[in-house]
Formats: sequence, structure tokens, C-alpha cells
Amino acid sequence: GQQLNQSPQSMFIQEGEDVSMNCTSSSIFNTWLWYKQDPGEGPVLLIALYKAGELTSNGRLTAQFGITRKDSFLNISASIPSDVGIYFCAGQLGEGAQKLVFGQGTRLTINP
Amino acid sequence: ETGVTQTPRHLVMGMTNKKSLKCEQHLGHNAMYWYKQSAKKPLELMFVYSLEERVENNSVPSRFSPECPNSSHLFLHLHTLQPEDSALYLCASSQDPGWWTVNSPLHFGNGTRLTVT
Repeated sequence: GQQLNQSPQSMFIQEGEDVSMNCTSSSIFNTWLWYKQDPGEGPVLLIALYKAGELTSNGRLTAQFGITRKDSFLNISASIPSDVGIYFCAGQLGEGAQKLVFGQGTRLTINP
Repeated sequence: ETGVTQTPRHLVMGMTNKKSLKCEQHLGHNAMYWYKQSAKKPLELMFVYSLEERVENNSVPSRFSPECPNSSHLFLHLHTLQPEDSALYLCASSQDPGWWTVNSPLHFGNGTRLTVT
């Protein structure tokens, strides 16, 4: 099946630092999505990207849809304690839930 | 009240038990889903229901049996599970079963943490 390679798997940073994570694939995607999962909760959609090259921000979060349509990155600026959690990328190949492929997740830990 | 509610939050069961997971959505959505989340693995789609009709079954073992009595409720019946079935089971809903957008995303519940002993 289709696979997304998400990296890094985990990050340990100091409060106030910037964070960068990315997803790559050998497949071309129509849509890229970034989710965050807080401890003990389900994933929540942060940002959706629909066009190659698109750069979208949501507060301190910025994500880009790669030009080749095979990758995407998520940046978090000036991290704060509530940014802790697992961040998932997801790429949509076409219509239908079976066409939504998730990455393995990046676990973010922040030292105050 | 949260949009997608799952019960129980935690479940421990033996391999010979029968149990059920429940999901209820209060968002007026037409589609509901079951996902399996295992540590360090991508979310795995298990079942999709659209307007109470099953539209997707991703080769899930028959020991998992879904039921969707109406568009607001979804169950996952469990029988004769294996230890490797231990995972977080997430229910989700959306307005459209095909595409999701920022204005109409996939909404997840908080999951049921299942441990099979």
C-alpha cells in the first residue's frame, strides 16, 4: 500500500524553539493534511493544503504543499508547552476514506 | 458535549470475551469510521459507513464486527480477540465520506484504549 515517511519520529526541544517536521512519499497526493493529537485525545485537523506550492499558516503553525506533490512540511514557531503532542501528516490520493494515508507521527516533547 | 463521543475510554478483555465499543456523533454527519491506532504505526482505516451503509471494509478480521444502526451511532463488536489487537480504536465522522476540507474535516473521538490479555 501507499506509505508516508514522516520525520523525525520524536523531538525533544526547549520552550521557545522553532520546530520543523516533514512527510515524504513516492506517491503524488491531491491534498495534504496535518493533524495534532493531544495526550488522551483524538487527532484534530490543524491545516489543510490543496495545491502544489501552497503555503498556509494557522497562528504559529505554517505548512507547505511540496512542488512535486510528494512531500509536505510543518513548522511551529516559538513553541509553548501546549504544543506537546503527536503530529500526523496525511495525504489524500483521491476520493474516499481508503485514499487517505497517514504518516507514523512525530511526538513532540517540550522542556520548560 | 464533544462532537464525537466514544465509550468506554479504557477496556481490558480476555481473548474469549465478547465486548462492544460505542461511538456517537452529535454533528449531523453522514459518514462514520473506525480506525485502529497502534504505537509508532500510521492510523489504519478499518470500516467506513455512509448513510448507515458500509462502504469500506479494509480486510479486517471477522473477529471485529461493525454495526451502524443510524447515522449518529456506530458500534464495533469484539469477539475472540488476540493480544496483537491491543490498540487505541478511534471513531470518526464527517459530512462527506469522500473528501475533507478545513470547513468539513474528519472529526475524531478520543478513542477507546483496548488491552487484550
